[in-house]
Amino acid sequence: GAGVSQSPRYKVAKRGQDVALRCDPISGHVSLFWYQQALGQGPEFLTYFQNEAQLDKSGLPSDRFFAERPEGSVSTLKIQRTQQEDSAVYLCASSITSGSSYEQYFGPGTRLTVT
Amino acid sequence: KQEVTQIPAALSVPEGENLVLNCSFTDSAIYNLQWFRQDPGKGLTSLLLIQSSQREQTSGRLNASLDKSSGRSTLYIAASQPGDSATYLCAVISGGSNYKLTFGKGTLLTVNP
Repeated sequence: GAGVSQSPRYKVAKRGQDVALRCDPISGHVSLFWYQQALGQGPEFLTYFQNEAQLDKSGLPSDRFFAERPEGSVSTLKIQRTQQEDSAVYLCASSITSGSSYEQYFGPGTRLTVT
Repeated sequence: KQEVTQIPAALSVPEGENLVLNCSFTDSAIYNLQWFRQDPGKGLTSLLLIQSSQREQTSGRLNASLDKSSGRSTLYIAASQPGDSATYLCAVISGGSNYKLTFGKGTLLTVNP
């Protein structure tokens, strides 16, 4: 079956531009997560949705970062006024529901480069 | 705050060798521990998930052990193959949330033919 998909796969933005990254989770998965992976680092948690509700946004690095999942399926991560330190791979994951017993399935990521 | 450390950072072995990757975590109050594989330009593939009540999990040539009290896990790969070359990441779920993964920086494994 189809896994988690993300688009675009690569994005180059000039400093100060706004970007929007899309995540299509596995159909029927209730939980959706965004992680940020800087070069040479492990992924770091950004935010978590259960259906359309954003239950945890503690990992968002600044108020320039905004995520939504209005219909409880597709999610968009938006970054306003991009800065060079935003350059990273943004990974989306979904799981059938919340809880530590359930695996998170990751998409291929979007590599964002801010010039 | 939970911290996950993986050693070595990089490992190069000849094909056919058995090898061990190490992971340690500072807060032993974990819900579970997962090992992932990441290929260049690709997302993460889950290899093994060990619940906090378990000691080990096996899948094919992979065996992961968990010693929660000492804050350690190992991933054992038997009879390594060039196709095993990738970055291996260890992650735990712990603390106040039962969903937030905390990752190590990974071990870059190269298996030479």
